[in-house]
Parts: sequence; structure tokens; C-alpha cells
Amino acid sequence: GENVEQHPSTLSVQEGDSAVIKCTYSDSASNYFPWYKQELGKGPQLIIDIRSNVGEKKDQRIAVTLNKTAKHFSLHITETQPEDSAVYFCAASYNDMRFGAGTRLTVKP
Amino acid sequence: EPEVTQTPSHQVTQMGQEVILRCVPISNHLYFYWYRQILGQKVEFLVSFYNNEISEKSEIFDDQFSVERPDGSNFTLKIRSTKLEDSAMYFCASSALGGFGNQPQHFGDGTRLSIL
Repeated sequence: GENVEQHPSTLSVQEGDSAVIKCTYSDSASNYFPWYKQELGKGPQLIIDIRSNVGEKKDQRIAVTLNKTAKHFSLHITETQPEDSAVYFCAASYNDMRFGAGTRLTVKP
Repeated sequence: EPEVTQTPSHQVTQMGQEVILRCVPISNHLYFYWYRQILGQKVEFLVSFYNNEISEKSEIFDDQFSVERPDGSNFTLKIRSTKLEDSAMYFCASSALGGFGNQPQHFGDGTRLSIL
């Protein structure tokens, strides 16, 4: 089955800096790669996703890149703000969705 | 904005008892999912459901688990005889479009299940 690895497990940045979270996946059949933000006591919230026929997607301060050959994808957050602090999960999916272990992002004011 | 709602927010149950977790997916969604998140760990896929049938299930979803859509709005997860290791957050999700794993899924805020 699919195995998703996510790094780093924790990330601390200064407000205004960029944050990058990286994931790798094992199943070349996976064709959908969402990113979720989870705040304390809440369910995962979809923030951006990318499909295997696209290499990059951007939504305001958030961007995701996908390298199908290398089977890795990354989340980039620019101009970070304290409210970006949360746990971020990547996932890879074909018939079912498998999550990475999560990255706890802390943005220091 | 439409959302997935889950009840109860916290369920405490004695080991060996049956528990039913309830979810109301987004009203025009057709695909439904349950996930589990043990404290501090990753979100784990349990099962997907479409057209009143299980579409996919993980190795976690054994004979102790069952899912049901008893009416037009609810989607339930039943654990027949709970074990201590069933203690976790359980998330329900739903998606609108076809393809069980490759469409945006919207999550509820979860039910925290505590087995004593």
C-alpha cells in the first residue's frame, strides 16, 4: 500500500519568513495530493491540492510543487503569519488517502 | 459554508461496549469516509462508502467495525466491542465528486473516543 513520509516533524520560523514542508510517497499510481491544516481541537482543513498532471499550483501565499518522477511533493508558505501556526499534513491518494505524520509549524511574531 | 458535523464531540465508553459515532456529511456529497487519529499520530484511513456500499477499507477496519447510512443524512461508524486501543479521534469526511480517493474531502471536527 501507499506510504507517505513527511519532513520535518517540527518547523519554527519567524513571522514573514517562508516555510517549506516536504513529502515523499511510494505508490506511483497515486494521482491526488492534498495538504491539510489542523488546528487544535479541529478536523483537518483542506488548504491546497494538486493532481498528478500538474507540476505546480499556487493560491495566494501557499504553493505546492509535485515531482512525479521522484515521487515527492512540497508545500511552500510565504510571508508566514502567526495564524499559520498549526499542524500540516500531506496526503497521497489513488483509491484511498494516506497521510503523512504531520509537521507542527510555529510562526513566531 | 456547508460543513460536516459529528456527534458526540467526546464519547467515553467501557471496554467491551458497543459505540456508534455519528456524522452528517455535506448535503450534496455522495462519498463518505471515516478516519482515525490516535493522539499525536497521523490520520489513518479506515473506510470509504458510496451508494450504500463500502468502496475501500484499510487493514484497521476489521470485523469489529461497520458503517451505515441509515437515512438520507446520517453516516455512522459502529465499533461492536471496543478495546483500549480504539481510543482515538475519529473523523468523518465527505466529497462531492466521483473517485473515492482523488477528490477534495471535507472533514468534520471529530469525535474523541475514550475507552476505559
